[in-house]
Amino acid sequence: EPEVTQTPSHQVTQMGQEVILRCVPISNHLYFYWYRQILGQKVEFLVSFYNNEISEKSEIFDDQFSVERPDGSNFTLKIRSTKLEDSAMYFCASSDAGYNEQFFGPGTRLTVL
Amino acid sequence: AQSVTQLGSHVSVSEGALVLLRCNYSSSVPPYLFWYVQYPNQGLQLLLKYTSAATLVKGINGFEAEFKKSETSFHLTKPSAHMSDAAEYFCAVRGSSNTGKLIFGQGTTLQVKP
Repeated sequence: EPEVTQTPSHQVTQMGQEVILRCVPISNHLYFYWYRQILGQKVEFLVSFYNNEISEKSEIFDDQFSVERPDGSNFTLKIRSTKLEDSAMYFCASSDAGYNEQFFGPGTRLTVL
Repeated sequence: AQSVTQLGSHVSVSEGALVLLRCNYSSSVPPYLFWYVQYPNQGLQLLLKYTSAATLVKGINGFEAEFKKSETSFHLTKPSAHMSDAAEYFCAVRGSSNTGKLIFGQGTTLQVKP
């Protein structure tokens, strides 16, 4: 069964460093998403991506964040200069249409020290 | 704007007992509603979805949910809890834009006691 994969499963970084979180969506999917979950809080939408551009972003997704689909299979989330409050579980998701179910990856736990 | 409220951050039931996890939503458009389950150290897995067809929706693992417009609710139920149902459950509503973004509730941790 096809699945969304994410690497790494856990990333530890120092405040101010850049991190790149990687996702491989399901191959025939066209819509891609990043969500995050701060420990003990709800899952929050960060950004959606379709047709090689951002289709929607939340207020969390400021200039420190960027997304890219560099090679037609990977979907990455970059945080340019990490802050302590960026510590969270980051989930990637994909779907074949905007109104269909989203398939989620297992998440990357980001710890900023 | 869309929002979701899950009543009860922790629910504890005995094995074999009824499971009831509550979800209320607010939506300015006809809602698309979802329940996801998260097992420890895993991603979110879709249990079921409501997309304006039948109001009683059946999902995987014996779960079902009933859409009640008058109560703006989409509660999740299972007649008989199993130990393997212990997990975190998230209710979500699709945002009003056509990008498909999901707006999640706070989540409910289900504990199943032997």
